[in-house]
Amino acid sequence: EVRLVESGGGLVQPGGSLGLSCATSGFNFGDTGMTWVRQAPGKGLQWVSGISYNGRAIGYADSVKGRFTISRDDSKNIVYLYMHDLRVDDTAFYFCARDGPAWSRPDWGQGTLVTVSS
Amino acid sequence: QSALTQPPSASGSPGQSVTISCTGTRSDVGRYNDLSWYQQHPSEVPKLIIYGVNRRPSGVPDRFSGSKSGNAASLTISGLQVEDEADYYCSSYAGNDKLIFGGGTRLTVL
Repeated sequence: EVRLVESGGGLVQPGGSLGLSCATSGFNFGDTGMTWVRQAPGKGLQWVSGISYNGRAIGYADSVKGRFTISRDDSKNIVYLYMHDLRVDDTAFYFCARDGPAWSRPDWGQGTLVTVSS
Repeated sequence: QSALTQPPSASGSPGQSVTISCTGTRSDVGRYNDLSWYQQHPSEVPKLIIYGVNRRPSGVPDRFSGSKSGNAASLTISGLQVEDEADYYCSSYAGNDKLIFGGGTRLTVL
C-alpha cells in the first residue's frame, strides 16, 4: 500500500521559514518523481514544486521560485520542501503526491497545514 | 502561469450526464496529452480519475470519461450518482517541468 505522510506544518510569521517533510512507503521511491501541491482553505489546487526520480529535473511555480527548495533523500524515502520568506498568501494545506504516468498524481498524502500570520 | 479555465460550477440530476470543460493554451493543453482529472470530496484528498486525457485508473467507474480537442479538454460523467457530488480539477503538463491545475468545478447533483 502506498503511503505518503506529510509533517512540519505550523504557524509562522511573515518572512519566516519552515521545512516540510513527506515520508513515503509502499513503492519504489528511487524510481519515482515527487510533487508538492498546495490548497488554500476553501480554494483550488496549486502545483508548487516537483522533483524527478533522480533529482536532476526540478520545477517551481513562479509564485514560489527563489523562496522554496525541493529536495529528496532516497536513503530515507523522504521528499522535503524548504520554504523561506513566507508570505500570508502561502497559507495552505500542503500535499505531497507521487508522480504517475502522463504527469498524473495517483497518490496523495493527507496534507499538512501551513499558516503564515502575524 | 495562469490556471487552466474551468467553470466554477456544474449540476445535473441523478442518471443524467454532465460535462466539465477545461481550457488552456497551445503551450499546455494544446501541446501535451498529459491531461488529468481529479475528484475531491469535502475534507478529503484529491483522487485521480482520469489521466493521459482519457485513461482511467483501476477502480474508477467507466461512467467517467475524458477527451481533448485543441486547447480544451472535457470530463464527462454519465449516469450521475449522488456520490459524484464533489469538486473536480483538471491538470496539464505545461513544459519546463511545470504542472498547472484548473481552478476547479463544483459539481452539484440535484
